[in-house]
Parts: sequence; structure tokens; C-alpha cells
Amino acid sequence: GAVVSQHPSRVICKSGTSVKIECRSLDFQATTMFWYRQFPKKSLMLMATSNEGSKATYEQGVEKDKFLINHASLTLSTLTVTSAHPEDSSFYICSASYGGGTYNEQFFGPGTRLTVL
Amino acid sequence: ELKVEQNPLFLSMQEGKNYTIYCNYSTTSDRLYWYRQDPGKSLESLFVLLSNGAVKQEGRLMASLDTKARLSTLHITAAVHDLSATYFCAVARGNNNDMRFGAGTRLTVKP
Repeated sequence: GAVVSQHPSRVICKSGTSVKIECRSLDFQATTMFWYRQFPKKSLMLMATSNEGSKATYEQGVEKDKFLINHASLTLSTLTVTSAHPEDSSFYICSASYGGGTYNEQFFGPGTRLTVL
Repeated sequence: ELKVEQNPLFLSMQEGKNYTIYCNYSTTSDRLYWYRQDPGKSLESLFVLLSNGAVKQEGRLMASLDTKARLSTLHITAAVHDLSATYFCAVARGNNNDMRFGAGTRLTVKP
């Protein structure tokens, strides 16, 4: 149980275009979803936290107009990188938690590798 | 602000040897996690530690938590090549499970 998928797994786009990444919880309802960014050989940096039906909470330094997050349902969150530039190239990982149990464990998706040319 | 420090950042071991990875964090936390990441892959959950003195073991890996010292350790026993990966600790707090990751320890086990 507790499977999270991401789509696409890899995407290459031209500079200036927008890219949408989907994160789905396949077998549970995710009350909270998280988006992380990971540069090569670096740690995961939390970008934003989103609760279903609410606006996402962005971490300091993350541009909300550039990284649009929509958590429209309990099983789907999307991250849209708008007007992408080469410096946005990174590994984006989402996670989801369902708020149940003794702790709200996050279940991680497989990640999406974005390359902006 | 919650900060998580891991050391060492790089670890090269011979097969059969033992070693420990350390994870220090700066403020009170509710939960501590250890993850494994293989190159190009996402995170694989290894352990979650919930209380002071918690110890968990899986195969050649054992994790412990000392909440008073704000320290967790991941001990590797008799390392094998398959353990080569990057290991992250992460500390979570709050109802939202707000999580902060350490920098990661890149482990290479040599024959």
C-alpha cells in the first residue's frame, strides 16, 4: 500500500516553455502533498506543502509564480514550472501523506527529471 | 529553524567492515527517518524512529535515536557492495510532518 506515482518520469523542454508534473497517490487519499527539489548529488529541498483544496505553502526563496502547485483532489497534485530556464533543471520529487496512524509518514514518488535546454 | 547535519558526507568502506553515520538536528523533533537513495532513483524508506532510545534493525543496518542529544545513528555491520547508495536522515515535526533532510552520506562499499 501507500504508493505514489509521478508523471512524467523524464521531461526535456525548451527554455521559456512550461512543464507540468503530476503526483498521484494510487491507493490512499492524500490530505497533504509535498514537493521537493534535488540538485545532482545534493539533498532534498522542500519547495512547498499543499493541502487538498487549499493554497500551497511555499518555502522561503521559492517563487510561487514560477512553481505553480495545484492540489485539486485527494489523489492528485500538480507542479507546473512556468517559463522554464536551464537553472530549473533538477530532479523533482513529490510525497504524500494521509494524516492517519500514529505519524503522518510521507510516501515518496519516483521523481521527475526535468532538463531545460 | 530546524537544521539537520549528517556526517560523514562521503564514506568509502571495504566489504566486511563496520561503520556509523551520524545525524544531528537542532530542535525538538517528533520523528526521525532514514532513507536510502540509489542513483537516479527516489527515496526508499529504511527506518522511522519515534521515541528516545528507539532502536531498529534490518539486515546489516541498525538505526538508533537519542532525543536528548538530538542524535541518530545508522550503523552498518559487515558492509557489502549492495549497500552502496546515498543515505539521508530526515527530521519531521508538527501535524503536517514538516520534514527537513540532512545533506546525505554517499556510501561506497569496495570489494
